[in-house]
Amino acid sequence: DQQVKQNSPSLSVQEGRISILNCDYTNSMFDYFLWYKKYPAEGPTFLISISSIKDKNEDGRFTVFLNKSAKHLSLHIVPSQPGDSAVYFCAASRGGTYKYIFGTGTRLKVLA
Amino acid sequence: DTAVSQTPKYLVTQMGNDKSIKCEQNLGHDTMYWYKQDSKKFLKIMFSYNNKELIINETVPNRFSPKSPDKAHLNLHINSLELGDSAVYFCASSPHRVGTPTDTQYFGPGTRLTVL
Repeated sequence: DQQVKQNSPSLSVQEGRISILNCDYTNSMFDYFLWYKKYPAEGPTFLISISSIKDKNEDGRFTVFLNKSAKHLSLHIVPSQPGDSAVYFCAASRGGTYKYIFGTGTRLKVLA
Repeated sequence: DTAVSQTPKYLVTQMGNDKSIKCEQNLGHDTMYWYKQDSKKFLKIMFSYNNKELIINETVPNRFSPKSPDKAHLNLHINSLELGDSAVYFCASSPHRVGTPTDTQYFGPGTRLTVL
């Protein structure tokens, strides 16, 4: 029962260009979404989040967009830098529950 | 100066053995978690503790027994290891109570367990 899906296992982008990572979910009860970034041999680190009452949240080079009708969120990184090369996980939760449901991750490679 | 640390980083063992993974956080958080990332890369919650008290057991076999000696530590003991237990296990901590809608969790580096 894969409620959170990241259908692109990998993505390559040139340095300075925009990286767009996508995430789809099936449970309309999800109301909080997060992106985590993971380097090899390290645990995931929190990057940015968005509540379902918003459709956009921005933090520096990172912007998350939420389209509730399409049950889709995306992470935009502009401009992309080589240090952004990592695996990006999206996660979703339903308010009042403890449980984050994670996607399987997208490996981003930013080419210098 | 690691915020959430796990030991060991790698663990290779035979089927049927008993092993433990330790987790410590120095963030002063009250809530800690164990996650399992399987071969398909799904990251799934296993347990959650709040201030040394078990809050969540996400239908994990009872061969897995978490132990929290104090709120900074949450260890995972696994009895009678099976091949299917091979995975990366992540510990995490949070400043919020379990179920806080806007929670952010801080993850350890993971322990790669291989059962032969």
